Amino acid sequence: EADIYQTPRYLVIGTGKKITLECSQTMGHDKMYWYQQDPGMELHLIHYSYGVNSTEKGDLSSESTVSRIRTEHFPLTLESARPSHTSQYLCASSDIAQGNNEKLFFGSGTQLSVL
Amino acid sequence: QKEVEQNSGPLSVPEGAIASLNCTYSDRVSQSFFWYRQYSGKSPELIMSIYSNGDKEDGRFTAQLNKASQYVSLLIRDSQPSDSATYLCAVNDNFNKFYFGSGTKLNVKP
Repeated sequence: EADIYQTPRYLVIGTGKKITLECSQTMGHDKMYWYQQDPGMELHLIHYSYGVNSTEKGDLSSESTVSRIRTEHFPLTLESARPSHTSQYLCASSDIAQGNNEKLFFGSGTQLSVL
Repeated sequence: QKEVEQNSGPLSVPEGAIASLNCTYSDRVSQSFFWYRQYSGKSPELIMSIYSNGDKEDGRFTAQLNKASQYVSLLIRDSQPSDSATYLCAVNDNFNKFYFGSGTKLNVKP
């Protein structure tokens, strides 16, 4: 089972602030993802990475950016937070080596509220 | 846009009954299928994966896959109040991207 850590667990911040949501995994997984989920709604992929120095935008347009300088670390940054960014942000990782048996494991999430 | 469809529920079953959750998907080349359980305010937790047609059993859980009908289901036997959660169906395509349904909320009544 993957160990994926997200911090902070909850964040309340004012409009216009720059924020970084942290995500780290200790399993050496190549692929990492960021999903956004509103209450009762489906998960939307906003960013993913196949490995170091690889980042791709997901299916849902997002004003956030990501970086992948180290295998274990995949932070997400919002340069200027707005109330429309209020949501739960879920980080996940998977192991490419598993091939068609690839499984996705999630961190505990960050609940972001922008006032 | 690839779609994963689930009935949003809520699905209410009495304790000890069998809960049946269903999911359909639109992409015929999908390779892998998953069921996640998500408690309110928590992150999704993987409970079952299935890759070939037929049934796969793990404890009280049975996943069923029918690729011809593009249908995957999850049966929970002897349902417990602790099973009350939202169950997310997920599909992994040929490009190893995961797509999720919006989930079915299950209520197990004591």
